[in-house]
Amino acid sequence: GESVGLHLPTLSVQEGDNSIINCAYSNSASDYFIWYKQESGKGPQFIIDIRSNMDKRQGQRVTVLLNKTVKHLSLQIAATQPGDSAVYFCAETPNTGNQFYFGTGTSLTVIP
Amino acid sequence: GAGVSQTPSNKVTEKGKYVELRCDPISGHTALYWYRQSLGQGPEFLIYFQGTGAADDSGLPNDRFFAVRPEGSVSTLKIQRTERGDSAVYLCASSLLGPDHTQYFGPGTRLTVL
Repeated sequence: GESVGLHLPTLSVQEGDNSIINCAYSNSASDYFIWYKQESGKGPQFIIDIRSNMDKRQGQRVTVLLNKTVKHLSLQIAATQPGDSAVYFCAETPNTGNQFYFGTGTSLTVIP
Repeated sequence: GAGVSQTPSNKVTEKGKYVELRCDPISGHTALYWYRQSLGQGPEFLIYFQGTGAADDSGLPNDRFFAVRPEGSVSTLKIQRTERGDSAVYLCASSLLGPDHTQYFGPGTRLTVL
């Protein structure tokens, strides 16, 4: 099966610092990637996406970097706020399939 | 609020019983997905509908699980002869066209099988 994994299961950062969450994927055919944020008791919430023809995409306070050579995805959150505390998942889908494959998740805790 | 809604939010049942979980997707979204999420894990794909038909049901764990979407909007996930191992949060998501478009998730139904 597919393998989408995260390097660190937990991450603690000080409020105002930048956060970096990493994700590795195994399918070189994957061509669409999404980062989701999930708060306790809620469904995953879309943060940002990127397609395989790009290596960087920026949103509001968030940046996603894609390195296809090493099959690595990262999410950077600038000026992390307490409201950013949640579990973050990367998900990917290959261009030949219908499924999204999710990683295990990284729990981000922002220390005020 | 035109997001994805799911009912019930919580369902407690006994082993061996039948349950139905409902999903109302975002209006106009032709693609609908069901996922199962166990504690501490990412969502696990179950089934994908494009319109009324199941385009990919390869994630359904066994024949006790079945899902329908008869009119291309609301979907029902049906679980027969529930087992304790079926306990999880069942998430529904919808997207405008297909898998390469952003999926928007509902809040999930927490199923507990006693």
